[in-house]
Parts: sequence; C-alpha cells; structure tokens
Amino acid sequence: DAGITQSPRYKITETGRQVTLMCHQTWSHSYMFWYRQDLGHGLRLIYYSAAADITDKGEVPDGYVVSRSKTENFPLTLESATRSQTSVYFCASSVGYKETQYFGPGTRLLVL
Amino acid sequence: GNSVTQMEGPVTLSEEAFLTINCTYTATGYPSLFWYVQYPGEGLQLLLKATKADDKGSNKGFEATYRKETTSFHLEKGSVQVSDSAVYFCALNTNAGKSTFGDGTTLTVKP
Repeated sequence: DAGITQSPRYKITETGRQVTLMCHQTWSHSYMFWYRQDLGHGLRLIYYSAAADITDKGEVPDGYVVSRSKTENFPLTLESATRSQTSVYFCASSVGYKETQYFGPGTRLLVL
Repeated sequence: GNSVTQMEGPVTLSEEAFLTINCTYTATGYPSLFWYVQYPGEGLQLLLKATKADDKGSNKGFEATYRKETTSFHLEKGSVQVSDSAVYFCALNTNAGKSTFGDGTTLTVKP
C-alpha cells in the first residue's frame, strides 16, 4: 500500500520555467491539499480539492495552478517559477474536511 | 479568518522532563483540532486529535484537551524521551476543508 506519494522529491529549476509537482494517493480520499512550508511560516495552504474537478484557493494561491481530473491525482503547477517559490511542498489527503490529513514526504524545490 | 498560535520555540528539555506546548486558536464554527509531528526530512504525521469540546486526544504518552472556553489545545507529556525530538504543529480544520496550521515548535530532548 503506497499511501500518498510525491514526485519529484527534489527539483532545481530556473526563474520563469514551468514546474509541475505530482501527488498521488491510493486511498481514494475525497480531499486533497497542497501546502508550502517555509521557515517562520509553518505550513500554508495553497490549494485544496474536495473531489475530482472541484478545487478551491487556500491562503497563498498566487502563482500556482491545480487540477484534479482523477480522484487519486492532484498536480500542482508553477506556471512561471519565481525565487520566492523556493520551498518545501507537501501534498496531503483526507477522508473528510474535518478528518486527519495524511501527508506525503514532500518535494524540495529550489528556484534559481 | 481562522488562526492558530503556538508557543514560540525552540524548546530544549532533558530526558524525563515534563513537556507543555501551548496552542490557542481562533475559528468560526466548531473546528476539529490536531497535533501533528514532523521528524527530520519527513512529512507531517498525526499525533492526536479531538473533534469536539472537552474531548481529550492521546497517543504515545502525549495528551491534549479541547478547551472551547479558552480556545486552547495544549500538548502535554509527562516524561519526554530523546526520540520525541521533532517539530510539533497544532492545526485546526473547519467547514469547507480549509485547514490552518501553527508555525510549529521545535523540541529537542537531551539525554
């Protein structure tokens, strides 16, 4: 049982490039989330999804795009990467909106 | 909007000391409250949770009680071990799926 996986685990890119971070869960959880973790800011919600084809903005959505055509996948795209998007990105999933979230191992992104 | 405030860290304790990490929150409605733990290089994992007022969550010797009157969910452990060294996050979930996390408290336990 793979649970929730993220790829790539590490990524270096340049300013202005498009980057897509992948998230896949095997539990058929309805809810999926994307967070970024930065020193001094804890975790901040970027986007979340309540079901396939339903997404909504979180606290810091600017510069990011998400889609969810299948329940198990929730990719996050940085359309034109900026240095301020250097961070560790975590994907998570849950059965319901007030339930425990299960986190992936994270993707460390460096934008040069 | 919703918010979670954790006591500032880092916290350094000797093995077998008593641990308290304070957490207070502001939220509309009736949130579920969580403590997550993050070990180096890993994602967060649930430590304990409480879904309604006066509920006590517990796991691995850690406890926290949902106090609606003081809007608090303080984490406690009677005797910490070196293996408890990690970053601890208080969090809440409300309606519509939006979740809010505290900034995290780094705990270091020395032998």
